[in-house]
Amino acid sequence: DGGITQSPKYLFRKEGQNVTLSCEQNLNHDAMYWYRQDPGQGLRLIYYSQIVNDFQKGDIAEGYSVSREKKESFPLTVTSAQKNPTAFYLCASSMGQRGEKLFFGSGTQLSVL
Amino acid sequence: SQQGEEDPQALSIQEGENATMNCSYKTSINNLQWYRQNSGRGLVHLILIRSNEREKHSGRLRVTLDTSKKSSSLLITASRAADTASYFCATDEYGNKLVFGAGTILRVKS
Repeated sequence: DGGITQSPKYLFRKEGQNVTLSCEQNLNHDAMYWYRQDPGQGLRLIYYSQIVNDFQKGDIAEGYSVSREKKESFPLTVTSAQKNPTAFYLCASSMGQRGEKLFFGSGTQLSVL
Repeated sequence: SQQGEEDPQALSIQEGENATMNCSYKTSINNLQWYRQNSGRGLVHLILIRSNEREKHSGRLRVTLDTSKKSSSLLITASRAADTASYFCATDEYGNKLVFGAGTILRVKS
């Protein structure tokens, strides 16, 4: 089955620790995205990538980093510089670049210990 | 930046009734999309309407777009308990990345 796989489903971060959220897609999509969702709020864009080895900052990139070494994979690292990391993180992909339909993974809930 | 704003924030109806949600946005768009999110899950795409379209249907869903008022509405007819979810509109800001609103929480009581 084609789709987007996010792992883990739940993740706990200790103070000062970096953690990495995994996102893999087998849809052969060029574009991939990371969104953050806080309770009762919409999605805010963290980073997006339109092609391998290239990515751009979204609206709330501070405290996060990404890489896009393979078309299928777009991992997100939440660094210790992100002081309020507790949120639901969603990865998505799309065929092209121009605001087309997004396919979402099932999300990762990150909490601080 | 928050582009789409949904209204109402929450809606509670009886099974079989129709549910209407509205979305307003600020800038010019190429298309507007609606997504559904069940609690603790990812978003699922429902429907996309382009700026040159006024109405679109998909099963029990009807979406309208009024570009002069910068608004859209999502109508779910004959609602079911399984329609209970959050619904988000998303617009393409200047033809690039999607920007999502805060969503409408729909509860359908059986």
